[in-house]
Amino acid sequence: DGGITQSPKYLFRKEGQNVTLSCEQNLNHDAMYWYRQDPGQGLRLIYYSQIVNDFQKGDIAEGYSVSREKKESFPLTVTSAQKNPTAFYLCASSLYAGQGYEQYFGPGTRLTVT
Amino acid sequence: LAKTTQPISMDSYEGQEVNITCSHNNIATNDYITWYQQFPSQGPRFIIQGYKTKVTNEVASLFIPADRKSSTLSLPRVSLSDTAVYYCLVGNNYGQNFVFGPGTRLSVLP
Repeated sequence: DGGITQSPKYLFRKEGQNVTLSCEQNLNHDAMYWYRQDPGQGLRLIYYSQIVNDFQKGDIAEGYSVSREKKESFPLTVTSAQKNPTAFYLCASSLYAGQGYEQYFGPGTRLTVT
Repeated sequence: LAKTTQPISMDSYEGQEVNITCSHNNIATNDYITWYQQFPSQGPRFIIQGYKTKVTNEVASLFIPADRKSSTLSLPRVSLSDTAVYYCLVGNNYGQNFVFGPGTRLSVLP
């Protein structure tokens, strides 16, 4: 079964702690993305990666970090510098980076920081 | 970057055809138009993509006029399960424009 997995589905953390969200894909896609979604809002791009060992900031990268050491994996770390980390986080991948390529999304991780 | 404008919400009844229009006045020559569907607490799902004229697949049709400044997603005979948020995106494979605006919240009523 090909697809994107994100874990965990729900995550709770105390303020001031860093937390890492997992994203794995077995679609053999080059490009991967992280989005944040707040209630009633659209998705905002945090980071994207066009290829292994490369990644670019999106619109709201401050307070987040990523790595892309393997093609299949694109973990996102929410650092204590992120002012409002509570949100729904979505990971996606596409064959290559670009609007012309369909993005496949994972089920999301809902992060709550108190 | 091509900005898109969609209605915030729409209501429809089961069995009706629903048309959601997206405006993108400054669309660039090499931009595609793509629509995604999102159910609550799930990731968006690709519905359809087009460049010009009309595209049809098993779930929807996409109508794009000659000037490409707007596009219309058409959902035939909607059911309750089509209640979702629908996003219109405009972009190309050269710029990294992955902007999902607030979308259109479609409510299908029995």
